[in-house]
Amino acid sequence: AQSVTQPDIHITVSEGASLELRCNYSYGATPYLFWYVQSPGQGLQLLLKYFSGDTLVQGIKGFEAEFKRSQSSFNLRKPSVHWSDAAEYFCAVGTITGGGNKLTFGTGTQLKVEL
Amino acid sequence: NAGVTQTPKFQVLKTGQSMTLQCAQDMNHNSMYWYRQDPGMGLRLIYYSASEGTTDKGEVPNGYNVSRLNKREFSLRLESAAPSQTSVYFCASSHTSALTKNIQYFGAGTRLSVL
Repeated sequence: AQSVTQPDIHITVSEGASLELRCNYSYGATPYLFWYVQSPGQGLQLLLKYFSGDTLVQGIKGFEAEFKRSQSSFNLRKPSVHWSDAAEYFCAVGTITGGGNKLTFGTGTQLKVEL
Repeated sequence: NAGVTQTPKFQVLKTGQSMTLQCAQDMNHNSMYWYRQDPGMGLRLIYYSASEGTTDKGEVPNGYNVSRLNKREFSLRLESAAPSQTSVYFCASSHTSALTKNIQYFGAGTRLSVL
């Protein structure tokens, strides 16, 4: 079965600093990988996705992520964090099986931005 | 442009009461999902419906039932609520195809407290 690990529960960065959120996955086949963001009291919004091809993918709000098959990782990065980026971030791996299509989520990383 | 709509947004129940959480999507998606979100545990899949007329159990189905009423609507029912079902519930939908790879779109959530 697939699984996702987000080792950092909480991260605090200063506004303008760079950001990297870690995500490691376990899946036997080629994974479909996603990053979602959840602002307080809101649902989840898709930031970016990786299906195949270029291992560096760009998303919304200036985020990017790099797929590294050898490390089973899909880390999320942003060069300069804004105060509005404070939220919870979820990494997910997708599978397509005969019985349906599912996402398995990590436990999330809570990002705090200091002004 | 509603997307995925969940009702109600908030609900307080007493132990043993029943209720139905409603979800509707207007994106003509074939698949729909119910998750629960608990602190430190990320999102866990309760039930999903790969297509109209089918439903399947997810990771944590005990204590819940679902109905895929039509292509647009997917409801979650708690027959006899328990305090352990206090959580935030999210509905999601997706158009599962080789192209979209199950990108899921989420509603804003229902915050349920069982006393």
